[in-house]
Amino acid sequence: AQSVSQHNHHVILSEAASLELGCNYSYGGTVNLFWYVQYPGQHLQLLLKYFSGDPLVKGIKGFEAEFIKSKFSFNLRKPSVQWSDTAEYFCAVNARRNQGGKLIFGQGTELSVKP
Amino acid sequence: EPEVTQTPSHQVTQMGQEVILRCVPISNHLYFYWYRQILGQKVEFLVSFYNNEISEKSEIFDDQFSVERPDGSNFTLKIRSTKLEDSAMYFCASSVDGQGPYEQYFGPGTRLTVT
Repeated sequence: AQSVSQHNHHVILSEAASLELGCNYSYGGTVNLFWYVQYPGQHLQLLLKYFSGDPLVKGIKGFEAEFIKSKFSFNLRKPSVQWSDTAEYFCAVNARRNQGGKLIFGQGTELSVKP
Repeated sequence: EPEVTQTPSHQVTQMGQEVILRCVPISNHLYFYWYRQILGQKVEFLVSFYNNEISEKSEIFDDQFSVERPDGSNFTLKIRSTKLEDSAMYFCASSVDGQGPYEQYFGPGTRLTVT
């Protein structure tokens, strides 16, 4: 069965620190990969996605993620976080051939950025 | 920018009662989804819906659950006889297509509390 694992439950950083959130998935076939963010009181929004091509993808607000197929990983990075990045971050996958398109989510990582 | 909307934002019901959660997907989208998140747990897929029928459902989506698109705009999730363990945040999502790397747009969620 497909599964997604996020290594960190809660990360606390100071502004300007670098961020890396880990995500590993388990699936035997080809997948599409996503990072969603949920700011306090708001709905899930897409940060970035990968489906083919350059394994380094850039998203909104200075975030990027790198797909490493051999490690089944899709880690999220940002060189310098801001207080406004405080949110919960979810890694998700869906199977390339899945007609229903269901997303399998990781458990989420809560990021707190101290000003 | 078009948004997925959900009503109500919070629903409190007694065990055994029926509830209907409502969603208005983005107007040109064709795939519709329900997910739920029990407090402290992962976001879990419930069901996907396309062309007026269920395209995929999870083990959670048993006979107590049903979905419907009663008109051209609404997409509903009905729980026939609620249980305490149905207490969760329920998210509706929609996408242009269910195959491949198409973004799913999420609504703000309905918090269901079963007492």
